[in-house]
Amino acid sequence: GAGVSQTPSNKVTEKGKYVELRCDPISGHTALYWYRQSLGQGPEFLIYFQGTGAADDSGLPNDRFFAVRPEGSVSTLKIQRTERGDSAVYLCASSPGLRTDTQYFGPGTRLTVL
Amino acid sequence: GENVEQHPSTLSVQEGDSAVIKCTYSDSASNYFPWYKQELGKRPQLIIDIRSNVGEKKDQRIAVTLNKTAKHFSLHITETQPEDSAVYFCAARSGGSNYKLTFGKGTLLTVNP
Repeated sequence: GAGVSQTPSNKVTEKGKYVELRCDPISGHTALYWYRQSLGQGPEFLIYFQGTGAADDSGLPNDRFFAVRPEGSVSTLKIQRTERGDSAVYLCASSPGLRTDTQYFGPGTRLTVL
Repeated sequence: GENVEQHPSTLSVQEGDSAVIKCTYSDSASNYFPWYKQELGKRPQLIIDIRSNVGEKKDQRIAVTLNKTAKHFSLHITETQPEDSAVYFCAARSGGSNYKLTFGKGTLLTVNP
């Protein structure tokens, strides 16, 4: 079946603007994760959803970042008042659920804040 | 929290040679260790993983070893091919969670024909 998809693939915005990044997990996967990958670094955990609820948002860098998953499938990562330091690739991953180890990644959204 | 160190940051080998990438972790309770391959501009793809109750796992040309006492694990690729060229990331899942992966900084592997 289809893998994890993310839109847009690229997003260029100006400092101070608001952006939304979308993730479509693999159908039936109840667990969804957001990571951020800066140039030359490994992915860094941001937030984890089990179903509709954010089970762990400890990786969100500050209150400008927020994520939702209202129906337990698609998730949106929202960034307010973007800063140049927010520029990175934002990766989404999903897994079938608890007691399942493998996380399947999407292709990412490359965010550039000018 | 968990901290994962990965070495080397770059590795260049001749086609047919073996490549070894090493990672250490800090949380002795970590129990799951995946390796991902990421080609330029592409998504990370799982290539092999190992759980803490196993010392070694092999899948064709790829193997992973785990030393829980020393808190390190390694990726071994034999008979390397040019298509193995990519960035490889190790990761560890802390025993305190069922989900959060902490990644190393990656190793850029170049296989020269």
